[in-house]
Amino acid sequence: DQQVKQNSPSLSVQEGRISILNCDYTNSMFDYFLWYKKYPAEGPTFLISISSIKDKNEDGRFTVFLNKSAKHLSLHIVPSQPGDSAVYFCAAPDFNTGNQFYFGTGTSLTVIP
Amino acid sequence: DVKVTQSSRYLVKRTGEKVFLECVQDMDHENMFWYRQDPGLGLRLIYFSYDVKMKEKGDIPEGYSVSREKKERFSLILESASTNQTSMYLCASSFRYNSPLHFGNGTRLTVT
Repeated sequence: DQQVKQNSPSLSVQEGRISILNCDYTNSMFDYFLWYKKYPAEGPTFLISISSIKDKNEDGRFTVFLNKSAKHLSLHIVPSQPGDSAVYFCAAPDFNTGNQFYFGTGTSLTVIP
Repeated sequence: DVKVTQSSRYLVKRTGEKVFLECVQDMDHENMFWYRQDPGLGLRLIYFSYDVKMKEKGDIPEGYSVSREKKERFSLILESASTNQTSMYLCASSFRYNSPLHFGNGTRLTVT
């Protein structure tokens, strides 16, 4: 049973436009969320996080929005660059069961030059 | 920067072989994890460890075991490799229980 879901396996965006990647979760106990970026043949790298006490967190071109009532978060990349082409995973740690992190299935972003 | 090193980038093993995947981190992190990544399934947790000699099962521990004899090293063992264990294996570590994971570059294992 997927506790963190990414329903769009892929997304294509023109360079310079906004990329919006979405993530839904089912467990209302989650209170911290992370986004990871993964290039082929490399491990995922941490990109940005958000705590449930906030509804927005920005880091340069990357902004994550959290809507707790909808159990939904999104990652916005503005402006998108070809180097942003990668697979993006959202994740949430489940504090009730210890260190376990739940990951979504990933969204493959392609930024077209 | 945290460095998580996985001993092999690519491995090819035969069905029934015992396989060892090694992972070392250099930042004195308490927690270490093994995930596998499969298309359409994302990252699934196999085992994790929050201390030396301690281990906890993740979502898919069947067919795997782990060993953590030293804080910096976490090994994943496939006791008898099967073709359905062909996958990308990712090791990760974290400083404490709610801090971001730092991943190694992965081991692409093929079982024939």
